[in-house]
Amino acid sequence: GAVVSQHPSWVICKSGTSVKIECRSLDFQATTMFWYRQFPKQSLMLMATSNEGSKATYEQGVEKDKFLINHASLTLSTLTVTSAHPEDSSFYICSARARTSGKEQFFGPGTRLTVL
Amino acid sequence: DAKTTQPTSMDCAEGRAANLPCNHSTISGNEYVYWYRQIHSQGPQYIIHGLKNNETNEMASLIITEDRKSSTLILPHATLRDTAVYYCIVRVGNTDKLIFGTGTRLQVFP
Repeated sequence: GAVVSQHPSWVICKSGTSVKIECRSLDFQATTMFWYRQFPKQSLMLMATSNEGSKATYEQGVEKDKFLINHASLTLSTLTVTSAHPEDSSFYICSARARTSGKEQFFGPGTRLTVL
Repeated sequence: DAKTTQPTSMDCAEGRAANLPCNHSTISGNEYVYWYRQIHSQGPQYIIHGLKNNETNEMASLIITEDRKSSTLILPHATLRDTAVYYCIVRVGNTDKLIFGTGTRLQVFP
C-alpha cells in the first residue's frame, strides 16, 4: 500500500513552453500533497504544500505564477511549470500524506524535466 | 532551514550494522524525527520516525537520546542495496512539512 505515482517520469521541452506533471496517490486518499525540486547532487527543496480543494501554500522564493499547483481531488495533484526555461531543468518529486495514516509521507518516483 | 546535521558520508561492510548519527539540538517538544533514504534518481523512501521513544520496524531501528538532541538510525545487517543517501529530518512543528538537509551518503561495500 501507500503508493504514489508521477507522470511523466521524464520530459524534454523547448524553452517557453509549459509542462504539467501529475502526482497520484494510488491506494489512499491524500488530503495534503507536497512538491519538491532537486538539482543534481543537492538535497530536496520543498516548493509548496497542496491541500485538496484549496490554494497551495508556496515556500519563500518560489514563484506561484510560474509553478501552478492544482489539487482537484483527494488522489491527484498537478504541478505546471509555465514558460519553462533551462534553469527550471530539475528533478521534481511529489509526496502525499494519507488522510487516515500516521505521520509519514510517501514519495513519488520523481519527474526529470529538461528544458532545452 | 533544516534543523539537522549529519555526516556527509559513511562506509559500512556488507552484513555489518550501519549506525547513522544525526544531531537535532534545536528540536522542539512536539517535533518528530523522520528518516528517509534516497537511492540515486528515485523518490525518497520512508524508513522510520519517532518522537521520544526508540522505534523499530522491519527496516531499521531508531534510537533517540533522552534529551532528544540527537538520534541514530541503525540498519542491523547492511546489504549492498542499502547504499543510498539517508536523510534525518525534523518535521516542522504541527505542520506536515519536511525540510530536508544534506543527508549522509552511505556506501555499503562487499
